[in-house]
Amino acid sequence: GAVVSQHPSRVICKSGTSVKIECRSLDFQATTMFWYRQFPKQSLMLMATSNEGSKATYEQGVEKDKFLINHASLTLSTLTVTSAHPEDSSFYICSAPGLAGDISANEQFFGPGTRLTVL
Amino acid sequence: AQRVTQPEKLLSVFKGAPVELKCNYSYSGSPELFWYVQYSRQRLQLLLRHISRESIKGFTADLNKGETSFHLKKPFAQEEDSAMYYCALDTNDYKLSFGAGTTVTVRA
Repeated sequence: GAVVSQHPSRVICKSGTSVKIECRSLDFQATTMFWYRQFPKQSLMLMATSNEGSKATYEQGVEKDKFLINHASLTLSTLTVTSAHPEDSSFYICSAPGLAGDISANEQFFGPGTRLTVL
Repeated sequence: AQRVTQPEKLLSVFKGAPVELKCNYSYSGSPELFWYVQYSRQRLQLLLRHISRESIKGFTADLNKGETSFHLKKPFAQEEDSAMYYCALDTNDYKLSFGAGTTVTVRA
């Protein structure tokens, strides 16, 4: 099946710094990727849709200047948490849908997640 | 707005017993529903989707539009079924709305 990777798997940073998280589709192309946030023992909350070649679309309540998304290629989307603060500490997960027309078209393939801790 | 409700945060059953995870949704359009599972220290992965009407690892789920439910069932739980289960609604643009999740523990 399709594989999505994330890097880094965990990162610790100081308050006020920026952190970049990468999401890659390893064996397929993804014109769209999604970024989720998961708090401990809670559900995944969709943050934004990353669109290759165009601006990301953000869910209500998500600050686009805080969470910068760049979909640089058909296999890479990056999420940059700018001026991070302790309340940004969370588990960030990306996903990419299967190929249109394929049996996996409706399926989302998830990355392993990135644990961000802001001190 | 769409919404997915999983009323049980925790579910504990004995091995060999039936298990049912409840999921209710609210959505004005035609829903596409999924169950995703997350085993310990692993990433989220698809368990099954309603459109394929399949049985995966002994699990089945039937979409009941009248009751707006998509409950997940397995007649005989196994220890390896212990995991976190999420019901998810796709609003036809690949965006997923997740329920709060149910942690299932299968005891020997």
